[in-house]
Amino acid sequence: ELKVEQNPLFLSMQEGKNYTIYCNYSTTSDRLYWYRQDPGKSLESLFVLLSNGAVKQEGRLMASLDTKARLSTLHITAAVHDLSATYFCAVDGGNYGGSQGNLIFGKGTKLSVKP
Amino acid sequence: NAGVMQNPRHLVRRRGQEARLRCSPMKGHSHVYWYRQLPEEGLKFMVYLQKENIIDESGMPKERFSAEFPKEGPSILRIQQVVRGDSAAYFCACPPVVGGSFKSPLHFGNGTRLTVT
Repeated sequence: ELKVEQNPLFLSMQEGKNYTIYCNYSTTSDRLYWYRQDPGKSLESLFVLLSNGAVKQEGRLMASLDTKARLSTLHITAAVHDLSATYFCAVDGGNYGGSQGNLIFGKGTKLSVKP
Repeated sequence: NAGVMQNPRHLVRRRGQEARLRCSPMKGHSHVYWYRQLPEEGLKFMVYLQKENIIDESGMPKERFSAEFPKEGPSILRIQQVVRGDSAAYFCACPPVVGGSFKSPLHFGNGTRLTVT
């Protein structure tokens, strides 16, 4: 069974600080996604990581993928309040008997950035 | 989530009633995924449909839940005889490009928040 674990589940940080969210998954996968969700809202796609060593950056967020370690990280640089949200990583379960698009989500990291 | 329309946004049902959730992808899109999000949890895959066909229903509960995507009209997720444990947010999602590969992320609708009283 493909499992996806995120940590930490809750993160409270001050503006201006840096931090990293970790996403481990249990077996090999060739697609990993990061999404952002604001309270009561839908999911917004942030990054798609497709290969070992992939690194993508958008503003204060940077995501990377290490397929050998089965680990993705989402690094936050100089956090601002607007980044407060829940961040999910997800792995495509298409290689494990599920159909493509059958995403396995982590439980999410609830980020709170305080002034 | 532009183009993936869900309604209603909020739905309240008493135990034992039926809930019908609708999802309309953008015109021309024929792939729909349904996911469920319990409070404080990540999303869980339920079912994947292409027009008129169920492709993968491995995440659907065996009883009371059904889904369809008819040739004309929206995809419907139907929950019969709802129970309190069905209270959750239900999202549908589509690939962003007609015929697109899964190197692009799924686009999610705004969800239907079902409350069972």
